[in-house]
Amino acid sequence: GAGVSQTPSNKVTEKGKYVELRCDPISGHTALYWYRQSLGQGPEFLIYFQGTGAADDSGLPNDRFFAVRPEGSVSTLKIQRTERGDSAVYLCASSPNGGVSSYEQYFGPGTRLTVT
Amino acid sequence: ILNVEQSPQSLHVQEGDSTNFTCSFPSSNFYALHWYRWETAKSPEALFVMTLNGDEKKKGRISATLNTKEGYSYLYIKGSQPEDSATYLCAPGSSNTGKLIFGQGTTLQVKP
Repeated sequence: GAGVSQTPSNKVTEKGKYVELRCDPISGHTALYWYRQSLGQGPEFLIYFQGTGAADDSGLPNDRFFAVRPEGSVSTLKIQRTERGDSAVYLCASSPNGGVSSYEQYFGPGTRLTVT
Repeated sequence: ILNVEQSPQSLHVQEGDSTNFTCSFPSSNFYALHWYRWETAKSPEALFVMTLNGDEKKKGRISATLNTKEGYSYLYIKGSQPEDSATYLCAPGSSNTGKLIFGQGTTLQVKP
């Protein structure tokens, strides 16, 4: 079956611009996670959705970052007034049930964001 | 906040060599430990999810062990092949949200 997909695969934007990154999870998966991986580091948690609601947004670095999942499937990560430090690979993962760390998370291929 | 350490940071081996990596994490409030393999330009692929102290899991030539009391896990690759070249990530899971806290990874390069 179809896995997690993310679009675009690459995004280059100028400092100060607004960007949206999209994640299509596996059908039927209620939990959705966003992570980002900066160069030389492991992926860092950003936000977790259970259904339509953000159950944990403790990883969002500041108020320029926002994410939505209005119908409980597709999610969009939105970054306002981008900065060069936002350059990273943004990963999305979905899971059949969230809130349980023993469940496997299925990752998409990521969106590589470059802020110039 | 969990502090997850992986070693070595990178590793170069010859085809046929066996190798192992270490993941260390705080032993308190343990729930689960995930191992992922991440090849360049692909999605991270789940290898193992381990929950019990003393767990040993195997998938082909790759196996992992877990010690929750002392806070470490080993990943072993027997007879490395060039297609094993990837970054291997470990991640303990959080208690109430399932979020993963990743180590910085071990990058393996297997030379033919």
